[in-house]
Amino acid sequence: GQQLNQSPQSMFIQEGEDVSMNCTSSSIFNTWLWYKQDPGEGPVLLIALYKAGELTSNGRLTAQFGITRKDSFLNISASIPSDVGIYFCAGQWSGTASKLTFGTGTRLQVTL
Amino acid sequence: DVKVTQSSRYLVKRTGEKVFLECVQDMDHENMFWYRQDPGLGLRLIYFSYDVKMKEKGDIPEGYSVSREKKERFSLILESASTNQTSMYLCASKSGGYQPQHFGDGTRLSIL
Repeated sequence: GQQLNQSPQSMFIQEGEDVSMNCTSSSIFNTWLWYKQDPGEGPVLLIALYKAGELTSNGRLTAQFGITRKDSFLNISASIPSDVGIYFCAGQWSGTASKLTFGTGTRLQVTL
Repeated sequence: DVKVTQSSRYLVKRTGEKVFLECVQDMDHENMFWYRQDPGLGLRLIYFSYDVKMKEKGDIPEGYSVSREKKERFSLILESASTNQTSMYLCASKSGGYQPQHFGDGTRLSIL
């Protein structure tokens, strides 16, 4: 199946720095989702976006639904060590069961 | 909060065994999904169900079957386990429309 292009593939940053990652698609979606996955755990939903142009925050996280409906970005401000993990974007088109198309993931590592 | 519970976190089985992975959700969601996650391949959809006793194949259904006799429970069955089915298995559920999928903690399955 299709995977969305997510960049960067991995990031190594210092605690306190801001992080930005993005996700692009060749097709449009009507929902964009961002998940975080810790090693050995299942993905946890961070932010859901439902409208083109929408900007949504969840604590230090901010995500935007691209105006073309083909992209989304996630920013993390003032990173802390527990931000370490893999971040996945996912696009959803409302239809039968609304299957997800996932990004390739961004691995974030934070140093003190 | 949505709770998706997978019956085992770790499971070791032998080649040729019939293996059952169980998933239960407590939010009366219509839709449930089974994925496997492998390094470099991302999350791949095996099967999904949009109602009791209804099921549809995902991207990689070969070697698997599913059962949904009750709304809250979705079972993944490996009819005759093989070593190439060693993987992390993730269950997810969602309500209808634009609502996001919520994942369980995963089952790391090893087939020896």
